Amino acid sequence: EAGVVQSPRYKIIEKKQPVAFWCNPISGHNTLYWYLQNLGQGPELLIRYENEEAVDDSQLPKDRFSAERLKGVDSTLKIQPAELGDSAVYLCASSFTGTLNEQFFGPGTRLTVL
Amino acid sequence: AQSVTQLDSQVPVFEEAPVELRCNYSSSVSVYLFWYVQYPNQGLQLLLKYLSGSTLVKGINGFEAEFNKSQTSFHLRKPSVHISDTAEYFCAVSKAAGNKLTFGGGTRVLVKP
Repeated sequence: EAGVVQSPRYKIIEKKQPVAFWCNPISGHNTLYWYLQNLGQGPELLIRYENEEAVDDSQLPKDRFSAERLKGVDSTLKIQPAELGDSAVYLCASSFTGTLNEQFFGPGTRLTVL
Repeated sequence: AQSVTQLDSQVPVFEEAPVELRCNYSSSVSVYLFWYVQYPNQGLQLLLKYLSGSTLVKGINGFEAEFNKSQTSFHLRKPSVHISDTAEYFCAVSKAAGNKLTFGGGTRVLVKP
């Protein structure tokens, strides 16, 4: 069974440019999460989806970040415009609802903003 | 709100020696507790979890953890480490009724030959 797929794995952009990350969860997982992991720190939740509905986006900086999961399967996280402080790893995770929070993580996208 | 503190940012250990990684949490409600491992340039992999029942939880790769409610701790142990255990380890908590994971800052384990 394929795990959580993320692309690209690495992205280098200049500040003020837009960037997008893509995530395909494990087949059948209806809950999808985007986490931000700064260097040397634990992941922090940005947004959680139940199917296509964003049920927790309280930590998403909505002035520059947006996310969508239109068909309740794969998801895209966008930053526009990117700032130097956005350099981090963006992790996607998925789970079945009701499996007592066992989340499966993708390899992440490492973003460097110059 | 919950919080997680991992008391050691780095733990150097010799191969075949035991290791203990400390984790303390705070929460006003019951929580589920997790340990994840992150190998370089990879995502997080679940090592073990405590949901209820026995306070001693066994996980993959020979790791185990003990939930101590009075101490609000969930320390991770392995009796004999291998070079391949070199990685970063994260403790996390989740409210019993919710899905959000709150992570600690991580402990980097470096296993030396």
